[in-house]
Amino acid sequence: AQTVTQSQPEMSVQEAETVTLSCTYDTSESDYYLFWYKQPPSRQMILVIRQEAYKQQNATENRFSVNFQKAAKSFSLKISDSQLGDAAMYFCAYRSALVQFYFGTGTSLTVIP
Amino acid sequence: DAGVTQSPTHLIKTRGQHVTLRCSPISGHKSVSWYQQVLGQGPQFIFQYYEKEERGRGNFPDRFSARQFPNYSSELNVNALLLGDSALYLCASSFRGRTGDTQYFGPGTRLTVL
Repeated sequence: AQTVTQSQPEMSVQEAETVTLSCTYDTSESDYYLFWYKQPPSRQMILVIRQEAYKQQNATENRFSVNFQKAAKSFSLKISDSQLGDAAMYFCAYRSALVQFYFGTGTSLTVIP
Repeated sequence: DAGVTQSPTHLIKTRGQHVTLRCSPISGHKSVSWYQQVLGQGPQFIFQYYEKEERGRGNFPDRFSARQFPNYSSELNVNALLLGDSALYLCASSFRGRTGDTQYFGPGTRLTVL
């Protein structure tokens, strides 16, 4: 079965600084998608960014970018110019053609003013 | 457009009871998925439905069941509740439910089993 590992339960970053959240996954499949979701204290999960495994180019969404290393099965999220509103739980997720989503255990990000 | 809606927001039940949770997807979305999120953990996949057909099922006992209606809304039913069923239950909708489709999550239903 696929597994998603987030080895950093908690991270903190100074406002306006850059932080990187780590994610690794285990799979034998070649075609899949990877996602980062944000879950603020209000609990509604919000999609931050997604990456198709067949694309070598790393996805970017404004201040959010990923470092996708397919051979290493690594999918880290970089948040640039961190803002107070970025404080949340961040989940890495994997999805294959088998439909099912696999989520990591999450990283709680604190932004220090 | 309204996002994914779920009802009720909170629910308290006792062991052995039955519960029904409801979800309305984003207009135009035909696929609904259900997740269980225990405090401090990531969501665990329970079911996915597309066009009223079950597309996938996670590793949950038969006490968990779901269905999707012609208007694409969905219900999650849990029978013979256990203390361990206490969790946030999330519903997510997507257009077709295919691998690359973005899932949009609802606010969740907080179930407490006493």
